[in-house]
Amino acid sequence: SQQGEEDPQALSIQEGENATMNCSYKTSINNLQWYRQNSGRGLVHLILIRSNEREKHSGRLRVTLDTSKKSSSLLITASRAADTASYFCATDATAGGTSYGKLTFGQGTILTVHP
Amino acid sequence: EAGVAQSPRYKIIEKRQSVAFWCNPISGHATLYWYQQILGQGPKLLIQFQNNGVVDDSQLPKDRFSAERLKGVDSTLKIQPAKLEDSAVYLCASSSFRAGIGVEAFFGQGTRLTVV
Repeated sequence: SQQGEEDPQALSIQEGENATMNCSYKTSINNLQWYRQNSGRGLVHLILIRSNEREKHSGRLRVTLDTSKKSSSLLITASRAADTASYFCATDATAGGTSYGKLTFGQGTILTVHP
Repeated sequence: EAGVAQSPRYKIIEKRQSVAFWCNPISGHATLYWYQQILGQGPKLLIQFQNNGVVDDSQLPKDRFSAERLKGVDSTLKIQPAKLEDSAVYLCASSSFRAGIGVEAFFGQGTRLTVV
């Protein structure tokens, strides 16, 4: 079963604009991660935010986490054509307060950045 | 640092045939995952190993899929017999996960399986 659900399913923007993707999940988590997948390739890790963190930055990426709403958002600022890819959130859920490192992925957001 | 290696990259088989995929994780990574990704969907976890023990295989169709991780390093995933709906990309990933300390997973390029 898919834990995370991304929104929107597809996003099309112009170069230089910001892109925001959202992820909702259902259970308690140890951390939430975002990955990028270019067409026909494996997934690449972008950023990890722990359950006790609310916001994290990495270059042009900004991730927020709201554990009360069980949601996260990924913001890509000043987008580039090279950012065109599918973006997935993955949750590392806890069971009985313990994490086993089980990563469950959502369905993803397809981002297209037009030059 | 070498990445996660998978082979083959592509495989075409007929339904009811068998197929095997191989994965070599990053050296020292105790956790190894196999995911199935159907076109247009997110990766679905099939099985997770911690060293050579199974942590989770709740979504592995055990009547046709099997996986092993001998000596806690390399892993193989087998499908026998294959069905048309098994057409997908099979992704292997590894991480240095330790109890309670979440870390990123590193993915291989995947094996694209087509069942005809």
